[in-house]
Amino acid sequence: DAGITQSPRYKITETGRQVTLMCHQTWSHSYMFWYRQDLGHGLRLIYYSAAADITDKGEVPDGYVVSRSKTENFPLTLESATRSQTSVYFCASSFGQETQYFGPGTRLLVL
Amino acid sequence: GIQVEQSPPDLILQEGANSTLRCNFSDSVNNLQWFHQNPWGQLINLFYIPSGTKQNGRLSATTVATERYSLLYISSSQTTDSGVYFCAGHIQGAQKLVFGQGTRLTINP
Repeated sequence: DAGITQSPRYKITETGRQVTLMCHQTWSHSYMFWYRQDLGHGLRLIYYSAAADITDKGEVPDGYVVSRSKTENFPLTLESATRSQTSVYFCASSFGQETQYFGPGTRLLVL
Repeated sequence: GIQVEQSPPDLILQEGANSTLRCNFSDSVNNLQWFHQNPWGQLINLFYIPSGTKQNGRLSATTVATERYSLLYISSSQTTDSGVYFCAGHIQGAQKLVFGQGTRLTINP
């Protein structure tokens, strides 16, 4: 099915563990984004990518790593998860400075 | 600073009512977009509206870029319109969206 998908949809992990959240889009959009959504903070940009092998920091990048070896995939890795990284994570994509399309989100709980 | 501010923060209406949501944005923000986050958490893009007016069914949006505001109109509200409405704009010269804090809309039957 075409669109933008995220996996897993739900994840429980422990402090200190490495976690990777996956994002895949089938539109060949050049831009991809990772946001986190927290009560009281709204949606905040973590990292974004303008094309394969091009990534840049957003508002809250600390503790996260991204890569983009293929246009369609944009994984987000928490190298050593902390409780403060408990959140809902959204991936999005767009052709340019136009409409962004969001994935369904991943709910992450760090114990 | 870079700001996107939405009002009101909460709005409770009866089914069938009309509503207007406002978004003010600072000089360094452009290319406004409106999103709806439904009660299940899904974010749906409603409008990409840098300026002017667009309509889609019962929803319409107007952005007056020179006065730094955008309005989202919902007519004949339905319970399925409930959720949180976000406006967001690009930081000028960058590909980063900055979001407002949202307006939580509750439509009661």
